[in-house]
Amino acid sequence: EDQVTQSPEALRLQEGESSSLNCSYTVSGLRGLFWYRQDPGKGPEFLFTLYSAGEEKEKERLKATLTKKESFLHITAPKPEDSATYLCAVQGKNDKIIFGKGTRLHILP
Amino acid sequence: GAVVSQHPSWVICKSGTSVKIECRSLDFQATTMFWYRQFPKQSLMLMATSNEGSKATYEQGVEKDKFLINHASLTLSTLTVTSAHPEDSSFYICSARDRKGTYEQYFGPGTRLTVT
Repeated sequence: EDQVTQSPEALRLQEGESSSLNCSYTVSGLRGLFWYRQDPGKGPEFLFTLYSAGEEKEKERLKATLTKKESFLHITAPKPEDSATYLCAVQGKNDKIIFGKGTRLHILP
Repeated sequence: GAVVSQHPSWVICKSGTSVKIECRSLDFQATTMFWYRQFPKQSLMLMATSNEGSKATYEQGVEKDKFLINHASLTLSTLTVTSAHPEDSSFYICSARDRKGTYEQYFGPGTRLTVT
């Protein structure tokens, strides 16, 4: 059964304090691993798609990496506006996207 | 690009009434749209997948007679919650996959449904 586990559940950082969010997954026939950002009361905002182990993508202060078992979302020198819930999702050969429960990130000024 | 809208953004209805939520892809054509439900501090749970011109595929445990989905065109899908009850109160989010793209789904802003 396809499964996604994100850790930690919540993370509080000081502004400028870099860290990483983890997404561990099991999936049959990975078609893509996705990272989304979700603000309270809003729909998820697409960040990245990773397709194969070793792939990396960057956007501003965010960098996503992928191995055969997990993905990391690295956040460098975060700012308060980076506070949000970050969701990881995988799509397997059955075409369904399975979401993790997310990591609630709070950046303190 | 890849903008998805939902209407309404929030709705309050009385128990026993029906509510329709629209999901539109504004700048792309979507052969496939998805409907999710999200409870507070929980992740998104897929309710159903709809393909333009065909019947929706519902996930296990989702009542298809209660949650009616119509994907009438390449840019519009609707979710109708029939005979709503307080336990149907939730945040409903749609997403769409660009027919020209790969596997990314682009999400709408969500609809907050409160049934009194």
